[in-house]
Amino acid sequence: SQQGEEDPQALSIQEGENATMNCSYKTSINNLQWYRQNSGRGLVHLILIRSNEREKHSGRLRVTLDTSKKSSSLLITASRAADTASYFCATDNNNDMRFGAGTRLTVKP
Amino acid sequence: EPEVTQTPSHQVTQMGQEVILRCVPISNHLYFYWYRQILGQKVEFLVSFYNNEISEKSEIFDDQFSVERPDGSNFTLKIRSTKLEDSAMYFCASSERRNSPLHFGNGTRLTVT
Repeated sequence: SQQGEEDPQALSIQEGENATMNCSYKTSINNLQWYRQNSGRGLVHLILIRSNEREKHSGRLRVTLDTSKKSSSLLITASRAADTASYFCATDNNNDMRFGAGTRLTVKP
Repeated sequence: EPEVTQTPSHQVTQMGQEVILRCVPISNHLYFYWYRQILGQKVEFLVSFYNNEISEKSEIFDDQFSVERPDGSNFTLKIRSTKLEDSAMYFCASSERRNSPLHFGNGTRLTVT
């Protein structure tokens, strides 16, 4: 079944630095989505990028998609301590979205 | 902003018992989902539901599990004869359209003892 796999598993940076997380997937997609999860809470949708788009921005978030490499990246610029969370990519699979194991981002103040 | 609500937030049950996890999706959403997450691990798809029937289910969603939309607002996940390995966070989600952004509840933490 189709699902994204994030890399790295964990990332620790200082406040103000940029954080880049990557996602790879195996089969063709209609869209790819990024979600954030604070500890013990539900996932929150961040951004959706369609298969015919290459880059998308939302505030401090920048997502790229390379369908030839079946990969996506999420860049968080000028990180803040409040960005500390797990980040997941999700790919569409017929009638549902499939998630990877996530990247746990820690931003130190 | 409308949100998905799940009850209870924490459920403790003994092995072999049946549990029902409840969800109220966002009212104008048509697609409903259950996912589970064992502590700190990946978010695993269980089942999707549309037009009053299951549209997709994973290999995890065996005969032990069932879903129901008993009225116009609730969406439930029933787990029969619970096992220790069923202990996890169970998340309900809903979306307006197929593969549009999912809106998640805050989950039910199920502990099987």
